[in-house]
Amino acid sequence: QKEVEQNSGPLSVPEGAIASLNCTYSDRGSQSFFWYRQYSGKSPELIMSIYSNGDKEDGRFTAQLNKASQYVSLLIRDSQPSDSATYLCAVIRTYKYIFGTGTRLKVLA
Amino acid sequence: DAGVIQSPRHEVTEMGQEVTLRCKPISGHDYLFWYRQTMMRGLELLIYFNNNVPIDDSGMPEDRFSAKMPNASFSTLKIQPSEPRDSAVYFCASSPRTGQAQHFGDGTRLSIL
Repeated sequence: QKEVEQNSGPLSVPEGAIASLNCTYSDRGSQSFFWYRQYSGKSPELIMSIYSNGDKEDGRFTAQLNKASQYVSLLIRDSQPSDSATYLCAVIRTYKYIFGTGTRLKVLA
Repeated sequence: DAGVIQSPRHEVTEMGQEVTLRCKPISGHDYLFWYRQTMMRGLELLIYFNNNVPIDDSGMPEDRFSAKMPNASFSTLKIQPSEPRDSAVYFCASSPRTGQAQHFGDGTRLSIL
């Protein structure tokens, strides 16, 4: 079992729809969780961080954390073609950052 | 504010040559990370430093890889001798404190022929 798992996709959604990206992790001791966006040929860019159970909203993005079920998700409302990218989930476990392999999102115009 | 700065952006060299990648972290960030990214294996942590001291190098693939951080504003990742399987994008990232998000440099795209 991978420490951080994501569906590789691609996840295709129409423009204006809600994109839902999911991530599960194996270590219950994980404390900090991040979502990064990576455009093709570019470096990962931080979108959201979440540290406690529940929802955290920032503009069109909402991160959701459920430590009991060991998953973290990212919702993108009103998806735009410019949101097309790979989204990486990252988890901190005992000072070590573990990244998932990413989910490729395609927003269709 | 200047972000994490990496050089060179691209490196093409022949197998067996020494390769040195450079990184300048964001000023005030105590943690520095080196990653390698490939299509097959995704983003892999190679090594990280705290206050210039290597903390965890368990991700360094083999003895051909070495990393140093002589001061708070500079780090190098060296591969000697290089092999074609080392071809990848190498990222440097820094964070202010443990548990906080990392900020990535633009990466070095390395091709070993």
